[in-house]
Amino acid sequence: GNSVTQMEGPVTLSEEAFLTINCTYTATGYPSLFWYVQYPGEGLQLLLKATKADDKGSNKGFEATYRKETTSFHLEKGSVQVSDSAVYFCALEKVKAAGNKLTFGGGTRVLVKP
Amino acid sequence: GAGVSQSPRYKVAKRGQDVALRCDPISGHVSLFWYQQALGQGPEFLTYFQNEAQLDKSGLPSDRFFAERPEGSVSTLKIQRTQQEDSAVYLCASSLEAGQGSGGELFFGEGSRLTVL
Repeated sequence: GNSVTQMEGPVTLSEEAFLTINCTYTATGYPSLFWYVQYPGEGLQLLLKATKADDKGSNKGFEATYRKETTSFHLEKGSVQVSDSAVYFCALEKVKAAGNKLTFGGGTRVLVKP
Repeated sequence: GAGVSQSPRYKVAKRGQDVALRCDPISGHVSLFWYQQALGQGPEFLTYFQNEAQLDKSGLPSDRFFAERPEGSVSTLKIQRTQQEDSAVYLCASSLEAGQGSGGELFFGEGSRLTVL
């Protein structure tokens, strides 16, 4: 079945450091890939997505490239801020007849210190 | 409201009690999902509605779990005879689009945290 594996946290960084969160997936066919973020006290919200191989999703300084050859969708940001402290979830959506349900990874908590 | 609203935000139940969790999706959203998120884990799919039709309930862990969306808007997740392993955050999400995977965005509520003693 479909699955998503992402690096375990917590990841602790200083402000302006480079952030990478690894994500790999297992799925048949060509899923769409997502990064969702959960800020403290808030619901999950979409950060970025890519719907086909070699697509790059980007938002708020974050980027991730859909790599079919390595089945990966690693999240990167060149210079993090304290406000980026959150839990990040990688997810895939497999085309099915009944809805676009998501399969999530376990989440990676990121803490950015001033 | 502007977003997905869930109630109650927190629920403590004694083992064996029945609970009902409510979700108000974004107005006009066709698709509605329920997910279960255990502590420190990612959300796990429970069930999916397209309007009032429950098209996928493959993630419901047992027949004690039941969900409905009778008028294609508000949804209720009911858990009968709660057990300690039911303790989790229950997330509701809605989406404007329907049908096969479309890369569409899911809008999540803040969740209902259930603790079963």
